[in-house]
Amino acid sequence: TQLLEQSPQFLSIQEGENLTVYCNSSSVFSSLQWYRQEPGEGPVLLVTVVTGGEVKKLKRLTFQFGDARKDSSLHITAAQTGDTGLYLCAGEPGGTSYGKLTFGQGTILTVHP
Amino acid sequence: GAVVSQHPSRVICKSGTSVKIECRSLDFQATTMFWYRQFPKKSLMLMATSNEGSKATYEQGVEKDKFLINHASLTLSTLTVTSAHPEDSSFYICSAGLAGLQETQYFGPGTRLLVL
Repeated sequence: TQLLEQSPQFLSIQEGENLTVYCNSSSVFSSLQWYRQEPGEGPVLLVTVVTGGEVKKLKRLTFQFGDARKDSSLHITAAQTGDTGLYLCAGEPGGTSYGKLTFGQGTILTVHP
Repeated sequence: GAVVSQHPSRVICKSGTSVKIECRSLDFQATTMFWYRQFPKKSLMLMATSNEGSKATYEQGVEKDKFLINHASLTLSTLTVTSAHPEDSSFYICSAGLAGLQETQYFGPGTRLLVL
């Protein structure tokens, strides 16, 4: 079973600060996805990274996939209160585990005004 | 984007009864759907992989007789929680993959189950 270690589990910051969330594994993933989830709703896909070393930007969010495709990070610049939520990374092992995702533990982000 | 729906969104039932949750891909066909369980402020835990036209594949520790999964068509999978008990109370979420787009899973909005 491939595991994804996500950190930190809780993050409480002030509006305007920067933050980084990490996902690490000892296993290689064919792709890695980041989701954001609001209470009582399903996860919403933010981005998928596929290539080692890949960097994707989504407004104030920057996603990076490690060169070896074992780790990833999410960096938020100048956080806003609307960024508050649960952030999840999920890796797809690929091969015979087509479509099957392994989720990290999640990061609960709270941005205070 | 692709849309996945779940019904019901919330259900309250008495202990010992069975509850059926539906997961539908609204604008695409999905040969594989996944069922997850999520506890408050925790991550998603994969319960089983639902395969259209064949038996579901359950993750270790998940009772297949307790959580019955049926994937009768390319757009519908159902999860039935049989003889529900309070410890089955949870948030159940399904996802479906868009055929041909390997990396993308679309998640339903979830079903909140409360067993009294």
